[in-house]
Amino acid sequence: EAQVTQNPRYLITVTGKKLTVTCSQNMNHEYMSWYRQDPGLGLRQIYYSMNVEVTDKGDVPEGYKVSRKEKRNFPLILESPSPNQTSLYFCASSFDRWANVLTFGAGSRLTVL
Amino acid sequence: GDSVTQMEGPVTLSEEAFLTINCTYTATGYPSLFWYVQYPGEGLQLLLKATKADDKGSNKGFEATYRKETTSFHLEKGSVQVSDSAVYFCALSDLSTGNQFYFGTGTSLTVIP
Repeated sequence: EAQVTQNPRYLITVTGKKLTVTCSQNMNHEYMSWYRQDPGLGLRQIYYSMNVEVTDKGDVPEGYKVSRKEKRNFPLILESPSPNQTSLYFCASSFDRWANVLTFGAGSRLTVL
Repeated sequence: GDSVTQMEGPVTLSEEAFLTINCTYTATGYPSLFWYVQYPGEGLQLLLKATKADDKGSNKGFEATYRKETTSFHLEKGSVQVSDSAVYFCALSDLSTGNQFYFGTGTSLTVIP
């Protein structure tokens, strides 16, 4: 089944403890991106990647890192999480930048205490 | 910069009522426009899209027309069902300004029997 898989789905952590949210897609998509969803703010793009080793900042990149070493994986790294990063995170992918229809993962709910 | 503004919710309708969710956009180039739907506990799914002015996207009884003159992409359905209860997001992709996607804040729809 074609899908975008995120892990973990739920995580409670403490301020400053590094964490990684993994994202993997099995559709050979070139484009991948991360969003956070907050009440009243909708979805905001954190980072995106148009291909292996090519990443760029979205609207809210502060406090996050990403890497794209393989086409299928696009992990989101929080080096030193803070409470304002408590949010619902979505990974999404698209065949390429021209196709521009996104396939989303099921989401990862992160709470930083 | 690019942005999407959509009607605030929540919206509550009786089954078989007519639905309109307003969406307007600001873009510097020639964006593609989308409606995504999010069912409880799930990621977003593409509902419909339009890639140029006057295009009409349609799916599952929902329709939206790309109106360049009014910079709008309103979502409509003639007769809603309980199963349409979800959060609806208007979005745009403007390749002329990079490869970012911009989402509205989402409109929650509840359909009651």
